Amino acid sequence: NAGVTQTPKFRILKIGQSMTLQCAQDMNHNYMYWYRQDPGMGLKLIYYSVGAGITDKGEVPNGYNVSRSTTEDFPLRLELAAPSQTSVYFCASRDRENSPLHFGNGTRLTVT
Amino acid sequence: GQNIDQPTEMTATEGAIVQINCTYQTSGFNGLFWYQQHAGEAPTFLSYNVLDGLEEKGRFSSFLSRSKGYSYLLLKELQMKDSASYLCAVIDSNYQLIWGAGTKLIIKP
Repeated sequence: NAGVTQTPKFRILKIGQSMTLQCAQDMNHNYMYWYRQDPGMGLKLIYYSVGAGITDKGEVPNGYNVSRSTTEDFPLRLELAAPSQTSVYFCASRDRENSPLHFGNGTRLTVT
Repeated sequence: GQNIDQPTEMTATEGAIVQINCTYQTSGFNGLFWYQQHAGEAPTFLSYNVLDGLEEKGRFSSFLSRSKGYSYLLLKELQMKDSASYLCAVIDSNYQLIWGAGTKLIIKP
């Protein structure tokens, strides 16, 4: 049982480039989330999904996009990367609205 | 607005006891989580409180008072491996998670 798997673990992008952060879970969870965490700061919600085909914006969605075509996968797309998007990105999932989140190991992204 | 307050940093001695406080003002309440996050790693779940009182789990305990909008995480018999950040998160009335900025706990020998 792998849990939540994120790829890649590290990435360096140039300003203006695009990339997709992959997230997959094998626990059949309906709820999936993307967070970013800046040094010494808490988790900021980017996008979330309550099931396949349904996505919604969190508190910091600008510059990002998501899709949820299957229960398992929830990729995060960065278009036109900017230095402000340098951060650690965590994907998480849970099976019910009041269940604890299961986190992936994170993707450390640097935009220069 | 919704807000969660935790101390930024705390220092304690190996073998001692430390209490990390969390106060919250949220639109509704459906539960409170405590997570541990070691540097460079993902958060891991520690405890969940939805009713008032103390939940004990080994060396860690978590307390909740809904009327006061207050929780604490109590760590006993501190070990060096407990050096980490501790995150408090509240589930609001829309079942969204509101996160505190975390408390960095430094354990000294």
